[in-house]
Amino acid sequence: DTEVTQTPKHLVMGMTNKKSLKCEQHMGHRAMYWYKQKAKKPPELMFVYSYEKLSINESVPSRFSPECPNSSLLNLHLHALQPEDSALYLCASSQKDPSQGSPLHFGNGTRLTVT
Amino acid sequence: TQLLEQSPQFLSIQEGENLTVYCNSSSVFSSLQWYRQEPGEGPVLLVTVVTGGEVKKLKRLTFQFGDARKDSSLHITAAQPGDTGLYLCAGEKAGNNRKLIWGLGTSLAVNP
Repeated sequence: DTEVTQTPKHLVMGMTNKKSLKCEQHMGHRAMYWYKQKAKKPPELMFVYSYEKLSINESVPSRFSPECPNSSLLNLHLHALQPEDSALYLCASSQKDPSQGSPLHFGNGTRLTVT
Repeated sequence: TQLLEQSPQFLSIQEGENLTVYCNSSSVFSSLQWYRQEPGEGPVLLVTVVTGGEVKKLKRLTFQFGDARKDSSLHITAAQPGDTGLYLCAGEKAGNNRKLIWGLGTSLAVNP
């Protein structure tokens, strides 16, 4: 079992819907990440939070809006998505700030389908 | 430009065979991580190598970091169906922003 919990596991939404993905970790990790992954491809970094502050935004469209309410929680708010946004969305955490380098602990992802 | 070249991209072998996956770059990395991802799950860290020339073993898996810290390999001995999955290498470049650079992955299928 992964120590990073993501909900929901699957999500189907229309292009006009608003939904949120949630991620939780209780390992005391100080950095949390959102990645997007297409089938049989590597994860693509979207956002990094370090000590609850957004430290990296990889030029992600504004229809994706991250939020870090506290050190254990990370949300990704979705609005007006496109079918090409359908993918596996992975949350990850690491013990240290990304600039110090430490391996990532991934959740099992949310499989998102945009219709 | 793909900074980390991973090969082969796809591999289908019979149970009991050996295989090697390569991760190559012209850049120097401060460390390199190997992950395995099974269908429906997130990537799971297998190992981190940090020292040039380092060799780490994890049961039937042997990981090596090149002397110049530009390349790495993963060797699996006597592959089993449970080894099936997507293998990903990811390197950290030294500097202020140590983001991971990902290889494109190797999709391995081990047939019984």
